[in-house]
Amino acid sequence: DTAVSQTPKYLVTQMGNDKSIKCEQNLGHDTMYWYKQDSKKFLKIMFSYNNKELIINETVPNRFSPKSPDKAHLNLHINSLELGDSAVYFCASSQTGGAPLHFGNGTRLTVT
Amino acid sequence: AQSVTQLDSQVPVFEEAPVELRCNYSSSVSVYLFWYVQYPNQGLQLLLKYLSGSTLVKGINGFEAEFNKSQTSFHLRKPSVHISDTAEYFCAVTPRGGSARQLTFGSGTQLTVLP
Repeated sequence: DTAVSQTPKYLVTQMGNDKSIKCEQNLGHDTMYWYKQDSKKFLKIMFSYNNKELIINETVPNRFSPKSPDKAHLNLHINSLELGDSAVYFCASSQTGGAPLHFGNGTRLTVT
Repeated sequence: AQSVTQLDSQVPVFEEAPVELRCNYSSSVSVYLFWYVQYPNQGLQLLLKYLSGSTLVKGINGFEAEFNKSQTSFHLRKPSVHISDTAEYFCAVTPRGGSARQLTFGSGTQLTVLP
């Protein structure tokens, strides 16, 4: 009965490759997010998305793109991976209006 | 815009001792405040939140936090810690009435409980 699940848990790949991380939530929330946590544990929001709008943090490179096939899923696609993309990526969800975030367990991406 | 400062990056404490994790924020508007906990290899979980009302907020696992508007602080406390409380703790702030995407996190405090 996992609330927010993301796969894979670990992802090791080479520079220049394209990869995807999947996220699903079964909480009935209408907004989903992607966060990046760097090696110093600093959390930065990358995207927020509901069925009406996608809001992108302006600092996120356009190699990153979220794709939402339906309200319960928000996948993250990354093109032309770079060394600096190595981090832990967290998916989260909430109800619109400032409700607390519910996080997945993270995907540790290592780019070699 | 708002910001969050967690003054201690690491806090070691012995089991059954009290602990306080400090959080200060800066904002030009009223805010909602949160504490999240991250256990190793897991996502963040909500510990407690302050939206309005009583300034002393009780959360899960015996934690509590006190909102102090004049000092713009929201320190987290527990009177007696357990080994299982070892984790990273994040303070977060969002404008009152704002959406979760406006949540700003602090840099985290690693609490290590020693036997």
